[in-house]
Amino acid sequence: DQQVKQNSPSLSVQEGRISILNCDYTNSMFDYFLWYKKYPAEGPTFLISISSIKDKNEDGRFTVFLNKSAKHLSLHIVPSQPGDSAVYFCAAMRNTGTASKLTFGTGTRLQVTL
Amino acid sequence: ETGVTQSPTHLIKTRGQQVTLRCSSQSGHNTVSWYQQALGQGPQFIFQYYREEENGRGNFPPRFSGLQFPNYSSELNVNALELDDSALYLCASSDGTGGRFGETQYFGPGTRLLVL
Repeated sequence: DQQVKQNSPSLSVQEGRISILNCDYTNSMFDYFLWYKKYPAEGPTFLISISSIKDKNEDGRFTVFLNKSAKHLSLHIVPSQPGDSAVYFCAAMRNTGTASKLTFGTGTRLQVTL
Repeated sequence: ETGVTQSPTHLIKTRGQQVTLRCSSQSGHNTVSWYQQALGQGPQFIFQYYREEENGRGNFPPRFSGLQFPNYSSELNVNALELDDSALYLCASSDGTGGRFGETQYFGPGTRLLVL
């Protein structure tokens, strides 16, 4: 059962334009969401997060939007740069009072072209 | 630079063997989690350790076990290796108690294990 889904395996965007990466989840108990970027042969690098009590969080060129009623979040990158080319993972966390387990989507490969 | 390191970077084992993977967490981080990432998939949670005790486990059999030490290092041990254990193994550290709201985990570069 895939609780976190990234339905677009790949996305190509021109340099300078906006990149929008989408993520859907099914478990309404998730209360914290994170985006990670991953380059080949490296571990995921934390980008930005949002708690379920907010609907938007911004950090420089990166903005994450959360729509709880739709169980949907998105990552906007503006403007997109060639160095943003990587695989982006959406992850969700549920506060169970014990382990803070991250549930990941399958990733979206972003390619920013010149 | 997350301050999380893992060793070795690559490893080749044969079916039935045992393997130990190592992780050094960021200083001050008392929680470490281990994940398995198969090719083309997102990382899957194996287990988490908080202050040297396991405090959560994913859908992995008991032949996956771990240890956490007071010096912020930890180990993942896998016994009786199977071909499907071939994957990238990631550790992640955080500074909160297990399950604290809003906790961010920082990943190491991973160990790529190939089981033949």
